[in-house]
Amino acid sequence: DVKVTQSSRYLVKRTGEKVFLECVQDMDHENMFWYRQDPGLGLRLIYFSYDVKMKEKGDIPEGYSVSREKKERFSLILESASTNQTSMYLCASRRRGQRPNTEAFFGQGTRLTVV
Amino acid sequence: KNEVEQSPQNLTAQEGEFITINCSYSVGISALHWLQQHPGGGIVSLFMLSSGKKKHGRLIATINIQEKHSSLHITASHPRDSAVYICAAPRGPDKLIFGTGTRLQVFP
Repeated sequence: DVKVTQSSRYLVKRTGEKVFLECVQDMDHENMFWYRQDPGLGLRLIYFSYDVKMKEKGDIPEGYSVSREKKERFSLILESASTNQTSMYLCASRRRGQRPNTEAFFGQGTRLTVV
Repeated sequence: KNEVEQSPQNLTAQEGEFITINCSYSVGISALHWLQQHPGGGIVSLFMLSSGKKKHGRLIATINIQEKHSSLHITASHPRDSAVYICAAPRGPDKLIFGTGTRLQVFP
């Protein structure tokens, strides 16, 4: 059974803390993604990685950074957490292909609350 | 205007009813994805389709590429179908853009 695993289901952090969200996939996928999901806004892309050590900004990268040192692991970092980063965070992976019709696999989500 | 729009945003139904969720997109695409998100948060892929119709159990997805419109139908709905349903269109070869989702609640 293919899997994308996020390290935490729920997190509560204080304003100003450095926060790490970890994501691991076991499908040898090239592409990995971090999204945040907010009511009425849907999933918005924070960062995308298409290979080890390669990354690309998504639509809302401000306040975030990422790390991909190994193919299976993609980390999202909140350098200094703020209350407006309270959200559901979803990791996904997808095989890279010439045709954009490959299935995306999602983690279970991390609900982050910044107080 | 969002590139991918869904309607309705919220939907309630009685068990057994026929459900339709609509998705319209403004980008040129070769395939559209339908996803399901249960209250726990995890998202699973239901369908990818590039033409015509696909069926899986009580779920049916249709797409009209010329009209840039897709529908997800649920026949004989059940409370366990309660979830958020999301459509997504490719943006380039690697990324997806998502609709805002339709929250479905099916009551016994």
